[in-house]
This record gives sequence, C-alpha cells and structure tokens, in this order.
Amino acid sequence: GNSVTQMEGPVTLSEEAFLTINCTYTATGYPSLFWYVQYPGEGLQLLLKATKADDKGSNKGFEATYRKETTSFHLEKGSVQVSDSAVYFCALISNQAGTALIFGKGTTLSVSS
Amino acid sequence: KAGVTQTPRYLIKTRGQQVTLSCSPISGHRSVSWYQQTPGQGLQFLFEYFSETQRNKGNFPGRFSGRQFSNSRSEMNVSTLELGDSALYLCASSPGTANTEAFFGQGTRLTVV
Repeated sequence: GNSVTQMEGPVTLSEEAFLTINCTYTATGYPSLFWYVQYPGEGLQLLLKATKADDKGSNKGFEATYRKETTSFHLEKGSVQVSDSAVYFCALISNQAGTALIFGKGTTLSVSS
Repeated sequence: KAGVTQTPRYLIKTRGQQVTLSCSPISGHRSVSWYQQTPGQGLQFLFEYFSETQRNKGNFPGRFSGRQFSNSRSEMNVSTLELGDSALYLCASSPGTANTEAFFGQGTRLTVV
C-alpha cells in the first residue's frame, strides 16, 4: 500500500543552523508530494508541494525535490529561525481521482536562539 | 476569502454518547476531507466528500460517518463514543481536482471521558 516514512525527531537546532528532515515514500503510480507544517494549537498549513519527478517545491526558504529514483522528498532549509519551531509532516496523494492525503508521523522541530 | 471553519473547537463527551462535528469549506470548494490526529497513530484519513457524495473512505469503523450538504458544508458523526476516539479532528477543503492543494481548518479537539 501507499505510505510515507519520515524521521520522527525531535530535531533540536540553534538559530541559523541547516535543517534536513528526511522523507521517503511508497506509492503506486506517480504520487504528488507535500510538506505541511503545524504550529502549536493550529491546523495544518501547506508549506510546499511537487507534482512530478525532479520538481522542486519551495516556500519561505524551505525546499524539497521530488526524487523518483530514491522515492524521497527531503525537506531542507539553509538557516532556521526560532519561528520555524513546529511539527512538519510529509504527505502524498496517490489517488488521482480524489484528495486523500497519506501522512508521515510528523517531525517536531525546536529551534533555540 | 474566508478559510475553513470547524465548529466547535473543543468538545467533551462521555463514553457511549454520539457527537457531530461541522466543517464549512472555502467558498467554491467542492471537496471536504476529514482526518483524525492522535499522538499514537498520527494523521489518518477518515473520508472525503465531493459534491455531496462520499468519494473516498479510510479504514475506520462504521461508527464514523459523514455527509455533505448542497452548499458543500460537511458534518462528521461519531456514534457510541469510545475513549480511543479522543483526538483532534481536522477538516480539509479543496476544489477537488487532482493535485490541488488542501486547506485545513484549526480542528475540533474531542475528549471522551
């Protein structure tokens, strides 16, 4: 079946450090891939997405590249800020006829000044 | 434009009772999906409604049901509540076509005692 595996953390970094959160997936066909972020007490916000192989999604300094050969979609940011502290979810949509997202377990990021 | 609105934000119910949660999607969006978020299981897809029809369904027991009205507003019902149903229930709204972004509400926090 379809699934998403991501490092669970928590990840603790100092401000301005480099961030990588690994995400790999298993899916039939050609899924679309997403990173969502959840701040404390809030719902999910879409951070970035990629819909086909070699696409790079980017937003607010975060980037992720759709790698079909390694079935990966790792999230990176060159210099994190305290305000980036949140839970990050990697997700995919495999069913092209609907919008059912399959999520990873989430990675908690804590950035200190 | 207004975002996804979920009501109520918080609920406390007793085992055996039933509960109804409401979601108003973004204007013009025809798809509403529901997710359950718990610390142990993470984010799990419940079901999706598109134009008043259930289009996708996750792996949850029949106690979990939903419906969508002609104005795209959706309700989710859980009958015979169990302690394990305590969770954050998130609603996501989208246009409903392939690879389109889903916008999440802030969720309803259900506590079963």
